[in-house]
Amino acid sequence: AQKITQTQPGMFVQEKEAVTLDCTYDTSDQSYGLFWYKQPSSGEMIFLIYQGSYDEQNATEGRYSLNFQKARKSANLVISASQLGDSAMYFCAMREGNAGNMLTFGGGTRLMVKP
Amino acid sequence: EAQVTQNPRYLITVTGKKLTVTCSQNMNHEYMSWYRQDPGLGLRQIYYSMNVEVTDKGDVPEGYKVSRKEKRNFPLILESPSPNQTSLYFCASSSGYRVYNSPLHFGNGTRLTVT
Repeated sequence: AQKITQTQPGMFVQEKEAVTLDCTYDTSDQSYGLFWYKQPSSGEMIFLIYQGSYDEQNATEGRYSLNFQKARKSANLVISASQLGDSAMYFCAMREGNAGNMLTFGGGTRLMVKP
Repeated sequence: EAQVTQNPRYLITVTGKKLTVTCSQNMNHEYMSWYRQDPGLGLRQIYYSMNVEVTDKGDVPEGYKVSRKEKRNFPLILESPSPNQTSLYFCASSSGYRVYNSPLHFGNGTRLTVT
């Protein structure tokens, strides 16, 4: 079974609008971390935001926020006030406490911001 | 500036010619790893290291070697490259404390082509 599922292969959003990228995960561990990364067309992998399994508050980093619903095992990324430079691939990923070495990635969502 | 540096960015080589991709981090991280990224297959872990002189296999270790003689360096060695090792390679590092809570910081990637 897939550990990380991103169901939106591609999405469009109008510049200055907010957008939500979906991510669901599967784990039996109590201790885990959820991460979002951005990969622009230039190829580098940029860390955006992190949510720990024991964190009660949703994480926020500037225009990025993470909508963490533990019971539903979802960790959606919300980007507010989209900019043209947000056009990229976005990956949701997880590290588990019992397998803490590996970062397991979802298949990614390609976000395209329209002017 | 805190960063993971990998070299070269681009490499074209021929089958069987040994090569090394270097990786260095300046964040005093205990944990380092190598990933490859392929279309349709996503990001997969090749090898990882929890600390100096401690390395272990990831999901796709065949055809690769690594070493961790110093904390900051984690080179990836292809003893006899083959065309199926054509890929985008990433080196990454993180703190070794509560690994599942630690984001992986990635280098800029090495695009390898084996003809």
